[in-house]
Amino acid sequence: AQSVTQLGSHVSVSEGALVLLRCNYSSSVPPYLFWYVQYPNQGLQLLLKYTTGATLVKGINGFEAEFKKSETSFHLTKPSAHMSDAAEYFCAVSGPQAAGNKLTFGGGTRVLVKP
Amino acid sequence: NAGVTQTPKFQVLKTGQSMTLQCAQDMNHEYMSWYRQDPGMGLRLIHYSVGAGITDQGEVPNGYNVSRSTTEDFPLRLLSAAPSQTSVYFCASSYLGVAFFGQGTRLTVV
Repeated sequence: AQSVTQLGSHVSVSEGALVLLRCNYSSSVPPYLFWYVQYPNQGLQLLLKYTTGATLVKGINGFEAEFKKSETSFHLTKPSAHMSDAAEYFCAVSGPQAAGNKLTFGGGTRVLVKP
Repeated sequence: NAGVTQTPKFQVLKTGQSMTLQCAQDMNHEYMSWYRQDPGMGLRLIHYSVGAGITDQGEVPNGYNVSRSTTEDFPLRLLSAAPSQTSVYFCASSYLGVAFFGQGTRLTVV
C-alpha cells in the first residue's frame, strides 16, 4: 500500500520569495513520484516526476524537487514565487509496475502569492 | 489538439438517478483512469483500464461502473446516485508514466 502526506493544506508566500511545499510518502516498493499543479477550474498538469536516476528533478515553470529516500520525502521548491504560481499542488506516488498510471495523491496544498 | 475531453462539465442529479460521465482521448493511450476529487483528500482512483476490454477497480469503486470498448472512450456510470457521490470527477489517460487529465465534471447529487 502507498500513501502521501502533504504538510500544510494552505501556504502563503510573497512574490519573489521561496516556495517550499512538503511531501512525504510511504511505499513498500521503489516509488515513482510526481508533482501536479491544478489551476482554478482546470484539470491537473504535470510539473515534474522522479522515476530513477538523478534525485534532483527539474520541472516546468522553474520548479524542482529532490527525492530523499532516507527521509521518504519529495519536497517541491521554487526560488522566487510569481503571481502566476497561485494554484493547488498535488504530490503523488505510484509503484514502478504502475509507472505513473495508478496514482495515489496527497491532500493537496493551495498556494497563495501575495504581491 | 483535444487531449482528454470530458462531458458534461456540470451536472445536478437527484438521489437515485443514473447517469454516465463521458471521457474520450485522442492520443491513442492504452491506459485510462477515473478519479474523484474531494476537498482535503486529493484525488482518489475509482476505476482504471489498461486497454480496450480490460478494466479494474481502484481505491473507491463502490457505486460506479466502467467499460472500455474502444481505446478512445472510457465512460463512468453511476447506477443510483447518492449524495456521497457529490464530487469533481477527472478522467486521465497515461503514457510513459505521465497522466493527462481532462477538465473535470462537477457533479452534485441532491
